[in-house]
Amino acid sequence: LAKTTQPISMDSYEGQEVNITCSHNNIATNDYITWYQQFPSQGPRFIIQGYKTKVTNEVASLFIPADRKSSTLSLPRVSLSDTAVYYCLVGDGARDDKIIFGKGTRLHILP
Amino acid sequence: DSGVTQTPKHLITATGQRVTLRCSPRSGDLSVYWYQQSLDQGLQFLIQYYNGEERAKGNILERFSAQQFPDLHSELNLSSLELGDSALYFCASSLLQRADTGELFFGEGSRLTVL
Repeated sequence: LAKTTQPISMDSYEGQEVNITCSHNNIATNDYITWYQQFPSQGPRFIIQGYKTKVTNEVASLFIPADRKSSTLSLPRVSLSDTAVYYCLVGDGARDDKIIFGKGTRLHILP
Repeated sequence: DSGVTQTPKHLITATGQRVTLRCSPRSGDLSVYWYQQSLDQGLQFLIQYYNGEERAKGNILERFSAQQFPDLHSELNLSSLELGDSALYFCASSLLQRADTGELFFGEGSRLTVL
């Protein structure tokens, strides 16, 4: 399973765009990149998943460069309710079914 | 509401005791995952079942065991409890055997307090 590295914490202000970058230098050909959001005392919630280039949904965008050694989760115009821990996961279930969450990035949105 | 149901929501017990946590996956989901999250810690993967069979194992203690029943619900058994076992235990489910190309749906967790 590819190891991921994310910033431990980030602060931003309401209305700003927030970009959280995840490094996964050892990503394999079949690996997908998935991001989850977790609020205190709640289970994580799927945000977005991608394999290459750019993926966008109603919540976020995911940018993946051509070498796929990193990815950036972009949250547009954040609000206080976006304060949460964000996890980046990389893995190929065919090779390793252990869906491992790292320590994530603790995002704190300020008013 | 993710569709994943965990019971009990809260449980307080004493050291040395045994507890069972229950998880009902989303309708149609065949995979069940168990995670442990201690205070201010990340999610620790414990074990995964797919359609009744153990599929992957993480750092699950020998004092812990799990199973998935024919109706696809799963139970996590924790025995000889220690203070350090106090944590939130999450169950997640997914349709596929491979969750990397889909998403995991998490329950609200069972908070275990060992006194």
